Amino acid sequence: DTAVSQTPKYLVTQMGNDKSIKCEQNLGHDTMYWYKQDSKKFLKIMFSYNNKELIINETVPNRFSPKSPDKAHLNLHINSLELGDSAVYFCASSSKGASTDTQYFGPGTRLTVL
Amino acid sequence: AQSVTQLDSQVPVFEEAPVELRCNYSSSVSVYLFWYVQYPNQGLQLLLKYLSGSTLVKGINGFEAEFNKSQTSFHLRKPSVHISDTAEYFCAVTFNDYKLSFGAGTTVTVRA
Repeated sequence: DTAVSQTPKYLVTQMGNDKSIKCEQNLGHDTMYWYKQDSKKFLKIMFSYNNKELIINETVPNRFSPKSPDKAHLNLHINSLELGDSAVYFCASSSKGASTDTQYFGPGTRLTVL
Repeated sequence: AQSVTQLDSQVPVFEEAPVELRCNYSSSVSVYLFWYVQYPNQGLQLLLKYLSGSTLVKGINGFEAEFNKSQTSFHLRKPSVHISDTAEYFCAVTFNDYKLSFGAGTTVTVRA
């Protein structure tokens, strides 16, 4: 009965590889997000989708590409991984994407690039 | 410029003592304010939020926060902490858009 789930929980890979992280929410929310948390625990939004439409696209290298096949899923694909991509990536969802919404976070995916 | 600042990066506290975590923001527009908690190796969860109305907001696990518009602050308090309150605490703000901007976080370590 997990509200927001992510797979995998840990991802260790070599520089230059391509990898994907998957996210699913069963809350019936319209809006989903990807955040990056760096080694200093600073959290920054990367992308947001509302009903499968991209609405937030922060300054992120174009090696990162989100995909939302339906409003319950938001995946993150990363091409040509670099050392600096090592971080914890959090998926989140909210009801309508409004400023007042509570965001519900997944458990995170710890990506380590060697 | 719009920003959110958490004034303390680390707060050590003894069990059953009170704790206050400070958060200030800078904005020329209306804001909505949130406190999230991140327990070790977990995702974030909402403690409380201020949208409008009473400036004293009560949240989960005995936490409360007070919105002070003149001081542009939203400090979080708990009168008596437990070991289980050891976590990272994030103040977050939405400005005139729907993006949640986070402070740098405050690490609270509760000692017996």
